[in-house]
Amino acid sequence: LAKTTQPISMDSYEGQEVNITCSHNNIATNDYITWYQQFPSQGPRFIIQGYKTKVTNEVASLFIPADRKSSTLSLPRVSLSDTAVYYCLLEYGNKLVFGAGTILRVKS
Amino acid sequence: GAVVSQHPSWVICKSGTSVKIECRSLDFQATTMFWYRQFPKQSLMLMATSNEGSKATYEQGVEKDKFLINHASLTLSTLTVTSAHPEDSSFYICSARETSGSGDEQYFGPGTRLTVT
Repeated sequence: LAKTTQPISMDSYEGQEVNITCSHNNIATNDYITWYQQFPSQGPRFIIQGYKTKVTNEVASLFIPADRKSSTLSLPRVSLSDTAVYYCLLEYGNKLVFGAGTILRVKS
Repeated sequence: GAVVSQHPSWVICKSGTSVKIECRSLDFQATTMFWYRQFPKQSLMLMATSNEGSKATYEQGVEKDKFLINHASLTLSTLTVTSAHPEDSSFYICSARETSGSGDEQYFGPGTRLTVT
């Protein structure tokens, strides 16, 4: 399974847009890119998934360039409650392998 | 979305005893469930893949005789930590995959905090 690389942590302020970029140089043809959010002592929560170009849902956008070697999770206008760990995963078939994740701290 | 529950949410047990954790998919059937372990300030580590009606597939380094997995029905998988030791204290999380017309999505349970004294 291909590995992902993310920044260890990021700081932001309420109301700002936050972009978290994930590198996955060895992504396979059939891998989907998936992002999860995790709060302390809780299970991860699905945010968004994409294969190429741009995907948008009610909480986030996911930008994937043509070579698919990276992806960017965009959270519009973050709030204090968005403080969490964000994981970028490559998904093919059944297995999900979690990387180290990015700790996002939103300040007021 | 689909819901996955775990029971208990937390448990304290004495060293040498066994603890069973249940994972249920509440509103969908899951032929495959997964068990993860997460130590403080670390990422989730996949322990095993639980397949309904067959033996679980364990990841490298995970003792199958210590972490017994049973997937007796399409909505229930159990993880039993046998002869627990303090180093087994961790946050155990299960997940289940739902396959629908719109694609696959994996749902996670809320986790079980195990403390071995």
